[in-house]
Amino acid sequence: EVQLLESGGGLVQPGGSLRLSCAASGFTFSSYAMTWVRQAPGKGLEWVSSISASDDSTYYADSVKGRFTISRDNSKSTLYLQMNSLRAGDTAIYYCVKIVGNSWIFDYWGQGTLVTVSS
Amino acid sequence: DIQMTQSPSSVSASVGDRVTITCRASQGISKWLAWYQQKPGKAPNLLIYGASTLQGGVPLRFTGSGSGTDFTLTINSLQPEDFATYFCQQAHLFPLTFGGGTKVEIK
Repeated sequence: EVQLLESGGGLVQPGGSLRLSCAASGFTFSSYAMTWVRQAPGKGLEWVSSISASDDSTYYADSVKGRFTISRDNSKSTLYLQMNSLRAGDTAIYYCVKIVGNSWIFDYWGQGTLVTVSS
Repeated sequence: DIQMTQSPSSVSASVGDRVTITCRASQGISKWLAWYQQKPGKAPNLLIYGASTLQGGVPLRFTGSGSGTDFTLTINSLQPEDFATYFCQQAHLFPLTFGGGTKVEIK
């Protein structure tokens, strides 16, 4: 059974940093690209960042480019999102998502971790 | 960026009704489109990918169609568990983008 377990969310002041982690199990993690998607309270879904299976390609939404860094450790089956210079607009539930095959479609989602940026 | 426009933003329907949700892409995306269902407090769930391929375990009353710029999600014979919010997503180009969502409510 595929499981994605996010951690690392919490309350942080504007300008602060957080590192999200996503522990994956139930599939060959190193074979799949992974993604972070976020959802602000009461709002729609927003793609944040994606990383290829081999870690050689990364992609970012303009809203987070230069502030967030996606990475992965295939030996630990873990996905990360380093978030710096956080803003109030980054407040959201952050979902770790597995990709279907070679497409950028999301077949398994974690339960999400809430990031709140507030003073 | 490819804009995904969903309509309607909300719909009221009764159990047994047929509901149709549309999604329009601002440029052609072939069949690189997925539909997700999200219930309150839960993560989204993949329903359809490749515009018309049903994800495993999804009931047959869900159907998807379309290609290029215009896509449709149809729920035939709406069931109580189908009351939720539905999102489309294009997987053709980065940045990946979602539609604004359609909330299916009980009439």
